[in-house]
Amino acid sequence: DGGITQSPKYLFRKEGQNVTLSCEQNLNHDAMYWYRQDPGQGLRLIYYSQIVNDFQKGDIAEGYSVSREKKESFPLTVTSAQKNPTAFYLCASSRRSSENTEAFFGQGTRLTVV
Amino acid sequence: SQKIEQNSEALNIQEGKTATLTCNYTNYSPAYLQWYRQDPGRGPVFLLLIRENEKEKRKERLKVTFDTTLKQSLFHITASQPADSATYLCALYSSASKIIFGSGTRLSIRP
Repeated sequence: DGGITQSPKYLFRKEGQNVTLSCEQNLNHDAMYWYRQDPGQGLRLIYYSQIVNDFQKGDIAEGYSVSREKKESFPLTVTSAQKNPTAFYLCASSRRSSENTEAFFGQGTRLTVV
Repeated sequence: SQKIEQNSEALNIQEGKTATLTCNYTNYSPAYLQWYRQDPGRGPVFLLLIRENEKEKRKERLKVTFDTTLKQSLFHITASQPADSATYLCALYSSASKIIFGSGTRLSIRP
């Protein structure tokens, strides 16, 4: 079945550690996105990528980094520079964004700093 | 500055009534607008897309309108059911090639 997979579902991080969240899609989508969601809030864009080896900062990129070495994969690293990383992280993909098409989301990763 | 706002944080209505959710945007000129449903602890799921040249779009009990003059979209659920309880998000594709979401409206349908 085609879809978008995030792992792990739950992740605990100690203060000062970097962690990487995985996002893989087999939908052959060009565009991929990372969003952060805090309790009772909407989705805020962290990074997005329209094509392999290219990505742009979203509205809240500070303290995060990404790579897009393969079309299928768009991992997000939460660095120690992110002061308040506890949140629900959502990855999405869509066909090339110049086309009016919907985003498909993974099931999310809930990150907690301990 | 550019904004996409959903005016109601929460909406509570009686089963069988029509739920109406509002999405307003400023300083965008989107070619289309989308609506998603999100259940607790899960990723959003696409519901409907409406283009700028479409005034209205329907899918089963769902109806979306798009007024580019008012810069507003309305999302209606007719004959609402408790299973419709969820958070509903509007989204648009900005000129900077990114999908931007509103803050969502949490809809509760009481039996």
